[in-house]
Amino acid sequence: AQKVTQAQTEISVVEKEDVTLDCVYETRDTTYYLFWYKQPPSGELVFLIRRNSFDEQNEISGRYSWNFQKSTSSFNFTITASQVVDSAVYFCALSEARGSNFGNEKLTFGTGTRLTIIP
Amino acid sequence: EAQVTQNPRYLITVTGKKLTVTCSQNMNHEYMSWYRQDPGLGLRQIYYSMNVEVTDKGDVPEGYKVSRKEKRNFPLILESPSPNQTSLYFCASSATGSHNEQFFGPGTRLTVL
Repeated sequence: AQKVTQAQTEISVVEKEDVTLDCVYETRDTTYYLFWYKQPPSGELVFLIRRNSFDEQNEISGRYSWNFQKSTSSFNFTITASQVVDSAVYFCALSEARGSNFGNEKLTFGTGTRLTIIP
Repeated sequence: EAQVTQNPRYLITVTGKKLTVTCSQNMNHEYMSWYRQDPGLGLRQIYYSMNVEVTDKGDVPEGYKVSRKEKRNFPLILESPSPNQTSLYFCASSATGSHNEQFFGPGTRLTVL
């Protein structure tokens, strides 16, 4: 069964520090998708990134970067030069779906990491 | 504006009184799903639907029902709510499956007394 573990329940850092949020996943499939979502204090869920299992290239988007390592089943998220606006709960998620022909369109989320940026 | 809407946003009810939380999307998405968010447990999928008249259980379906009679709507039904269903509920939709970006509704905070 698919599983996502976010071992860091809460993290606090001082503004401008770098911070890495860990995500470890378990899956039986060779084809799967990984996601990160952000939930700011206002409560909405915001999509950040999607990565498929065949693309291990790391990605950078401004101050955000993602490190995907299949060898360790991890998909970690780093915020560089953190800002107060980065304070939120961050969720990692996994989909084992390979299209509707294969059934199982479940999406499994981790328990989230609450990140607090201290001004 | 592309969006997922949920109603009501807040609901306080009593044990056993049937309720429905509506979810509607205007993006012609095929995939829709419901999640509940509880402290320390993250988001857990309740039910999902691949298309009209096609639904399947997520990880925590007990005590819930869904239907997908129209592509845009995916209501969540609690036939006999219990206090352990007190939670924050999110509806989401995506183009063709769970492997796509999910668009989430604003959430419904439900309290069952």
